[in-house]
Formats: sequence, structure tokens, C-alpha cells
Amino acid sequence: AQSVSQHNHHVILSEAASLELGCNYSYGGTVNLFWYVQYPGQHLQLLLKYFSGDPLVKGIKGFEAEFIKSKFSFNLRKPSVQWSDTAEYFCAVAGNNDMRFGAGTRLTVKP
Amino acid sequence: SQTIHQWPATLVQPVGSPLSLECTVEGTSNPNLYWYRQAAGRGLQLLFYSVGIGQISSEVPQNLSASRPQDRQFILSSKKLLLSDSGFYLCAWSVQGAEKLFFGSGTQLSVL
Repeated sequence: AQSVSQHNHHVILSEAASLELGCNYSYGGTVNLFWYVQYPGQHLQLLLKYFSGDPLVKGIKGFEAEFIKSKFSFNLRKPSVQWSDTAEYFCAVAGNNDMRFGAGTRLTVKP
Repeated sequence: SQTIHQWPATLVQPVGSPLSLECTVEGTSNPNLYWYRQAAGRGLQLLFYSVGIGQISSEVPQNLSASRPQDRQFILSSKKLLLSDSGFYLCAWSVQGAEKLFFGSGTQLSVL
């Protein structure tokens, strides 16, 4: 069955710490991969996406993600988080006819 | 526990025909409700959101409309579909005042 798993429900970091949020998926066929973010009081917005090409994708606000096909993973990283990165992060996988989201990871960055 | 139902899963409609996609949420009261669309090769786009019955906010002017006739029911409609309305439509809900979204299973709409 198609599924998307985000390993961490809630991550708490101090400012300047490095971030890695895990995302694994189970999907048949070609997929497009996304990370979305929802900041407090705001709507969902796209951080980055992977369709093809270089598996290391750079997004907005210093985020990047690496697609590892053999591991069915698309982990999100940031070398140094800021307090303003506090938000809910969603991994999503789109196949030919559908799109599925992970359960989300809440990131809290302490100043 | 809360669940979200969205139907139909797939839909093929001719240009100019009407549209009605329905989304219902169970197990919670007064949720925020959302309609998103993913067009081919792009990320999600927020179409409408609602914070209460009869309260609809439109993010993008277009051929679509939304209604919330009941607390836990959110309907996406069109009087006349365009080819450009093709895409994958997702309904979502969240608790009032919280950020975490819960997504439906989506509807793949093909307008021919």
C-alpha cells in the first residue's frame, strides 16, 4: 500500500543546531516529492520539491532535501536552525493519480 | 478519533459540465477546512479555507467556488469546468488555532 512516514512527531532544537527530518515512502512507480511548511498562524507553503535530476534539492530559507531512491527516503535538512523555523513540516509524495502526506513533524526551536 | 472523508477518488468530466466535490470530517467540532489543488508538475495551491459555517475565504480567483453548509462539510463546486481545472484536489482540516493539517485522500479530476 502507498504510504508516507515521518519518523519524528515533535522535534525540539536550540538555535544554531542542525536539523534533519526523516521521510520515507512506499510507492510504486515514478514519484514527485515535496516538503511543505506551515508556520504558526499561516497557511501551508512549499519549501522544496523534487521531480527529477539532481537528488539534492535546495529550497527556500536555507532548507535542502536529498532524494535517496534506494532507501525510498527524502529527508529534510538545515545546517543551522533559527527560532523562526518553528513550524509544522509535512513530507508529501505524488504519484500519477494521487498525493499523500506524512503525519507531519512539529519543530520547536528554542532561542 | 477524527477522520476525513473525501469523494469521489477519481472523476472524468467534459469541459463545461458542473462539478461538486465533497469533504466531511468526523470526530471534531468547528474545524478549519481547506481545499487545495495540485496541478501537474507543481506544488499544492490553497484554493479556499473556512473557519466556520458559511465563512469562505478565497485565495485564488478562478472558476471554482466553495461552500460550507454544515460545520463539518466542505464542498468544492464549479458551474462550468475548464480544461485548466484538471488536477488533484485535496481537502484538509485542522483544529481551530492549531497548525497541524490532516488531509483527505484526494480527488483526481480530469477535464476533457
